[in-house]
Amino acid sequence: AQSVSQHNHHVILSEAASLELGCNYSYGGTVNLFWYVQYPGQHLQLLLKYFSGDPLVKGIKGFEAEFIKSKFSFNLRKPSVQWSDTAEYFCAVNARFTDKLIFGTGTRLQVFP
Amino acid sequence: DAGITQSPRHKVTETGTPVTLRCHQTENHRYMYWYRQDPGHGLRLIHYSYGVKDTDKGEVSDGYSVSRSKTEDFLLTLESATSSQTSVYFCAIKEGQTEAFFGQGTRLTVV
Repeated sequence: AQSVSQHNHHVILSEAASLELGCNYSYGGTVNLFWYVQYPGQHLQLLLKYFSGDPLVKGIKGFEAEFIKSKFSFNLRKPSVQWSDTAEYFCAVNARFTDKLIFGTGTRLQVFP
Repeated sequence: DAGITQSPRHKVTETGTPVTLRCHQTENHRYMYWYRQDPGHGLRLIHYSYGVKDTDKGEVSDGYSVSRSKTEDFLLTLESATSSQTSVYFCAIKEGQTEAFFGQGTRLTVV
């Protein structure tokens, strides 16, 4: 069965600090990987996705993520966060050729000016 | 935004009453999902559908049922609502090996 772990539950940063959020998944086969963001009071929006190819993927708003197959990881990074990045971030995995889309428990990011 | 509409957006109901939430899409996507979002638990999959009349259970399906009689509608029913089902419910749609798009959510309170 698929599962996703996000080890950082709450991260607090100052503006301009660098960000890295961890995501590990459990599934032996090929997967599609996603990071979603949820701003306060809103629904989930896609930040970036990985299906195949270059393991370093770039998303919106300066975010990027690296897929490391040997570590079953898909960590999210941003070199310099802004106050407007305050939100909750979710990692998700969809095992290839299956129907289930499973999410992690989320990481709440607070950025202070 | 993807054409997904959840209704109602807010609902307060009493323990023991049946409740149906509706997800309507205009994208003709094959897959539809119901999740619940609770603090500390992230999004947990309740049920999903991979076609008309084709549904399957997710991680937290107990106490919930679903139906999909048309491509565009996916209904989530709480047969007898309990306080533990107080949550925010999100519908999502997906077509094949792509990303999912989410609705605005339904905040359900069971008193």
